[in-house]
Amino acid sequence: NAGVTQTPKFRVLKTGQSMTLLCAQDMNHEYMYWYRQDPGMGLRLIHYSVGEGTTAKGEVPDGYNVSRLKKQNFLLGLESAAPSQTSVYFCASRLRLAGVGKTQYFGPGTRLLVL
Amino acid sequence: GNSVTQMEGPVTLSEEAFLTINCTYTATGYPSLFWYVQYPGEGLQLLLKATKADDKGSNKGFEATYRKETTSFHLEKGSVQVSDSAVYFCALSEELSGGSNYKLTFGKGTLLTVNP
Repeated sequence: NAGVTQTPKFRVLKTGQSMTLLCAQDMNHEYMYWYRQDPGMGLRLIHYSVGEGTTAKGEVPDGYNVSRLKKQNFLLGLESAAPSQTSVYFCASRLRLAGVGKTQYFGPGTRLLVL
Repeated sequence: GNSVTQMEGPVTLSEEAFLTINCTYTATGYPSLFWYVQYPGEGLQLLLKATKADDKGSNKGFEATYRKETTSFHLEKGSVQVSDSAVYFCALSEELSGGSNYKLTFGKGTLLTVNP
């Protein structure tokens, strides 16, 4: 049971390049999330998904797209990277069961540097 | 909107010292409260949580009590170890549209360094 994994661990992009970050979970969780972590700002929600084929915007969705073609995978895409997207990206997942106390499980993060 | 405010770091302590990291929140309704820990180079791990007022969450010697009257969820540990060095995040859950789904709102994080 690997939990939540993210690929790649680190990437350097030039402004305008595109890339896709992959998140995979093997816990059969329905809900998945993408956050970004910036110094002094905590984590902010980019997009989330409540199930296969569905996605929704979070707090800071501009410049990102997502897809959830398979239940276990949640992809985050940057079509045209900008230096403001330099950040550490975390994926998380949780069970759909109702209840505010349900735990989100986080991946190890992807560090992205946009030059 | 909802928000979480936690004490700014960095916090530097000697081994076996007492730790308090303050966390206060602003929220409508009755959110659940969490402390997550991030060790160097790793992702976030749930440390403890409390789902209703007066609940005490505890784990690995850390504890925090959900105080509705003071809207606080302070993290404490009686005797820290070098291995506790990490960034600690306070967070609350808030409902996303559509019901049954929740997002976490995080504080900015507090870096704790414990020296031997």
